[in-house]
Amino acid sequence: GENVEQHPSTLSVQEGDSAVIKCTYSDSASNYFPWYKQELGKGPQLIIDIRSNVGEKKDQRIAVTLNKTAKHFSLHITETQPEDSAVYFCAASISQAGTALIFGKGTTLSVSS
Amino acid sequence: DTAVSQTPKYLVTQMGNDKSIKCEQNLGHDTMYWYKQDSKKFLKIMFSYNNKELIINETVPNRFSPKSPDKAHLNLHINSLELGDSAVYFCASSRASGNTGELFFGEGSRLTVL
Repeated sequence: GENVEQHPSTLSVQEGDSAVIKCTYSDSASNYFPWYKQELGKGPQLIIDIRSNVGEKKDQRIAVTLNKTAKHFSLHITETQPEDSAVYFCAASISQAGTALIFGKGTTLSVSS
Repeated sequence: DTAVSQTPKYLVTQMGNDKSIKCEQNLGHDTMYWYKQDSKKFLKIMFSYNNKELIINETVPNRFSPKSPDKAHLNLHINSLELGDSAVYFCASSRASGNTGELFFGEGSRLTVL
């Protein structure tokens, strides 16, 4: 089955700096790679995703890159703001009805002003 | 309107008791899930369920059972609660056909077993 490794587990940056979180996956059949943000006391929410036929995707200050050969993908947040502070999860899924996402262990991002 | 709602938000109970957590989604999704988030924030799939198939994570004890009265509801019933069951339980849903994989999560139910 799929296994997703995520690093680092904690990340502290100054406001305005960039933050990068990296994940690797094990199942070559995986073809969908979302990133979720979880704020304190809330459920995780999708912030960006990428499919295996795409190498990079951007949405304002966040971007995700995917290297299928190496089986790794990364989240990049530029110009970080204090409200970016949260736990971020990467995940992987295979395209099959009812298939659950397998999550990494999360990265706690702290942005100090 | 809340897309995925869970009740109760907090649940404190004694070891050995039986408890249920309810989940409802108003997104018209075909597939629902239960995830467990432990004290280290690790999100682990417990069940995925649509109206045809229940997929159980083999590591989940059989004291845990999902019950779905209809497509919009997936409740979690737990028998003989143990201290290690203390966690936050998240319900989620997604479209089944042409599954994008995107999950919509509820706000979680924090279970504390004393």
